[in-house]
Amino acid sequence: AQSVSQHNHHVILSEAASLELGCNYSYGGTVNLFWYVQYPGQHLQLLLKYFSGDPLVKGIKGFEAEFIKSKFSFNLRKPSVQWSDTAEYFCAVNPYSSASKIIFGSGTRLSIRP
Amino acid sequence: EPEVTQTPSHQVTQMGQEVILRCVPISNHLYFYWYRQILGQKVEFLVSFYNNEISEKSEIFDDQFSVERPDGSNFTLKIRSTKLEDSAMYFCASSAGLAGGTDTQYFGPGTRLTVL
Repeated sequence: AQSVSQHNHHVILSEAASLELGCNYSYGGTVNLFWYVQYPGQHLQLLLKYFSGDPLVKGIKGFEAEFIKSKFSFNLRKPSVQWSDTAEYFCAVNPYSSASKIIFGSGTRLSIRP
Repeated sequence: EPEVTQTPSHQVTQMGQEVILRCVPISNHLYFYWYRQILGQKVEFLVSFYNNEISEKSEIFDDQFSVERPDGSNFTLKIRSTKLEDSAMYFCASSAGLAGGTDTQYFGPGTRLTVL
């Protein structure tokens, strides 16, 4: 069955620390990949997406993610986090064979200490 | 920037009652979706809708659920007879339906449904 795994449930960092959130997916075919963010009290927002081409994609607010096909991974990174990055981060996959369904990971809660 | 909106933000209902959750997708979007997130669990796909028909549904979306686009702007999810386990956050999403596998779904703020 198709699935998305996020390795960390809760990550706590200090401001200016570097961030990497892991994401692996299980699906043999072509996929579209996403990271969504949910700030406290707000709705899911698209952070970045990968469809094809350069496997290193840049998103909003200084985030980037790298698609490594051989590892079925799409890890999210940010060189220097800020307090305002406190949020829940969801990795998601849209199997190309299913133009509609998005499969979400369980989410990683990121807490930034000021 | 256009957004998906949902009403109400919180709905409390008694078990066995019918509820209708409402969504206004982004105006030029053609595909509409419902997802739900039970507290502490993953966001799960329920159903997608295109051209006034369900295009895909999950095993969760049984006969108790139905979707409708009653007019040109609203997209609704009806739960016919709510159960305790229907308590969850329900998210509506919409997408433009771009070709070539580049479509992106935009999510609403969610409706928290509490079944007592």
